[in-house]
Amino acid sequence: QLQLQESGPGLVKPSETLSLTCTVSGDSINSPFYYWGWIRQPPGRGLEWIATVFYTGNTYYNPSLESRVTISIDTSKNQFSLRVTSVTAADTAIYYCARQMNHGGSVDYFDFWGQGALITVSS
Amino acid sequence: DTVMTQSPATLSVSPGERATFSCRASQNIRSKIAWYQQKPGQAPRLLIYGASSRATGVPARFSGSGSGTEFTLTISSLQSEDFAVYYCQHYYDWPLTFGGGTKVEIK
Repeated sequence: QLQLQESGPGLVKPSETLSLTCTVSGDSINSPFYYWGWIRQPPGRGLEWIATVFYTGNTYYNPSLESRVTISIDTSKNQFSLRVTSVTAADTAIYYCARQMNHGGSVDYFDFWGQGALITVSS
Repeated sequence: DTVMTQSPATLSVSPGERATFSCRASQNIRSKIAWYQQKPGQAPRLLIYGASSRATGVPARFSGSGSGTEFTLTISSLQSEDFAVYYCQHYYDWPLTFGGGTKVEIK
């Protein structure tokens, strides 16, 4: 059974770098059938797509965050990761990792989500 | 960027009644839209993709329709477990964007 599990620090200080990892079990991340993405949700607010990566290493970013965000994939560990630099209180959110379908070479919807990791930015 | 606008923000419905809410895209996204359900403390769950295809395990009371810029999600007879927030999301191009959500609450 597919499972995605986010792991991260919980608390990050302002101006520091946030690092999150999504560990995938029950399926191989080294597959042409899926993309892998990160989405975040500030407390009490809506969803925001952050970035997506393909098993080849191709990456796609939300332009509003692109200057501070890096997504990467490690197929040997069946994991993908997210780094957000120079964090502020506005980056406080639940961060979800999710699988995205790949139909005919174009990215599709998020069909499976991790449970989410709450990241708080505070001194 | 394609802006996804959901309406209404909140919908009050009695159990057993029909609920219909909308999502409008700022440009033509063909049928490349998905709908998600999110309950408190849980991750979003995929309900509908391709505007009208139900995801695995989604009850038949959920249906999606529309194409181009206007889309609708309908719950034919609300059950207690359906009270939640519903989000639309397009996947026509980058960047992917979500609507602001519609909260379905008990009337």
